Amino acid sequence: EAGVTQFPSHSVIEKGQTVTLRCDPISGHDNLYWYRRVMGKEIKFLLHFVKESKQDESGMPNNRFLAERTGGTYSTLKVQPAELEDSGVYFCASSQRKGLVYNEQFFGPGTRLTVL
Amino acid sequence: AQSVSQHNHHVILSEAASLELGCNYSYGGTVNLFWYVQYPGQHLQLLLKYFSGDPLVKGIKGFEAEFIKSKFSFNLRKPSVQWSDTAEYFCAVIGGSARQLTFGSGTQLTVLP
Repeated sequence: EAGVTQFPSHSVIEKGQTVTLRCDPISGHDNLYWYRRVMGKEIKFLLHFVKESKQDESGMPNNRFLAERTGGTYSTLKVQPAELEDSGVYFCASSQRKGLVYNEQFFGPGTRLTVL
Repeated sequence: AQSVSQHNHHVILSEAASLELGCNYSYGGTVNLFWYVQYPGQHLQLLLKYFSGDPLVKGIKGFEAEFIKSKFSFNLRKPSVQWSDTAEYFCAVIGGSARQLTFGSGTQLTVLP
């Protein structure tokens, strides 16, 4: 079974440009999470999808970030326009949905975003 | 709000040395606790977790962690580290009805051969 995949693995863009990150969760996983790690800091939660619905987007830093999960499969995270402080590693994770029981989150390899 | 504190940013040990990585969390209610590991060039993966029951939890690769509720701690231990344990280790918590993980800042472990 394939794990969580993310594309691209690295992205270098200039301030003011737009970047779109993609995450493909494990097949059948309804829960999809985005996290971000800014250099030297902790991994921070951005948002949580259950299927195509945003369950919790309390971690999104501002309205330059837009996440979508059309059809409840893969998800995209768009940053427009990118700022220097957006640099970091963006992780995606997915888990099964089984009622209220916590289910292990499986992480992708991350996308390293560098904004110059 | 939940928070997690990892006291050591970088730990350097020789092979066969014993390891203990500190983790303290801040949350007043019921918590689920986790240690994740990221080996060089690999994904974050779950090392062990605590939900309830025996506060001494055993994970993969000989790691264990002890939940001490009175100290809000969940320290990771291994009696004898190997060079292959070189990685970054993250403590994380899920409190109450939350579904997202709250991570500590990570500890980079370097094991010298």
